[in-house]
Amino acid sequence: GQQVMQIPQYQHVQEGEDFTTYCNSSTTLSNIQWYKQRPGGHPVFLIQLVKSGEVKKQKRLTFQFGEAKKNSSLHITATQTTDVGTYFCAGPKNGNKLVFGAGTILRVKS
Amino acid sequence: DADVTQTPRNRITKTGKRIMLECSQTKGHDRMYWYRQDPGLGLRLIYYSFDVKDINKGEISDGYSVSRQAQAKFSLSLESAIPNQTALYFCATSVQSTGPYNEQFFGPGTRLTVL
Repeated sequence: GQQVMQIPQYQHVQEGEDFTTYCNSSTTLSNIQWYKQRPGGHPVFLIQLVKSGEVKKQKRLTFQFGEAKKNSSLHITATQTTDVGTYFCAGPKNGNKLVFGAGTILRVKS
Repeated sequence: DADVTQTPRNRITKTGKRIMLECSQTKGHDRMYWYRQDPGLGLRLIYYSFDVKDINKGEISDGYSVSRQAQAKFSLSLESAIPNQTALYFCATSVQSTGPYNEQFFGPGTRLTVL
């Protein structure tokens, strides 16, 4: 069945360093979503990418959707302590459900 | 989001007990979902419902059942809880959409421990 693989599982960075998490699907995706879960919190929607090769930015966060629509990345420039949490990608399955990646846990040392 | 609420927030129970987790939403969304979260495994779909008369199994439905009592309420039951059902459970909602925009809104979660 459709799988969404996400790497790395965990990353610990120094405040000010950049961070990237990668998401790969075994099948072509119509779109991909990204969520952030703060420690002790619940997942919160960040963004959705739909078009092949699409790049979107939210302040220090840059989201990319691959040309083949099978991979995506989230890059954070100059991490801050407020960036800590788990970042999930998710792709639709059968048009109606989401399949989530396992998530990347980001820790930031100040 | 305060618009999606879950009760209880924490629960400790014993093996074999029946447990019900409740979810309510004021967002007016038709679609509701139950997920469980385990460390390193992300969010896995248990059941989902696209309207009051529609119930569908997700990828890990064994040992669980659900009830959609109203558009705003979706309950998850563990008929006979077992320790490997210890997890963080999330309810989520989304609007009905013919396009790709199916952003999901999550409740605060229920932490369930089965001893």
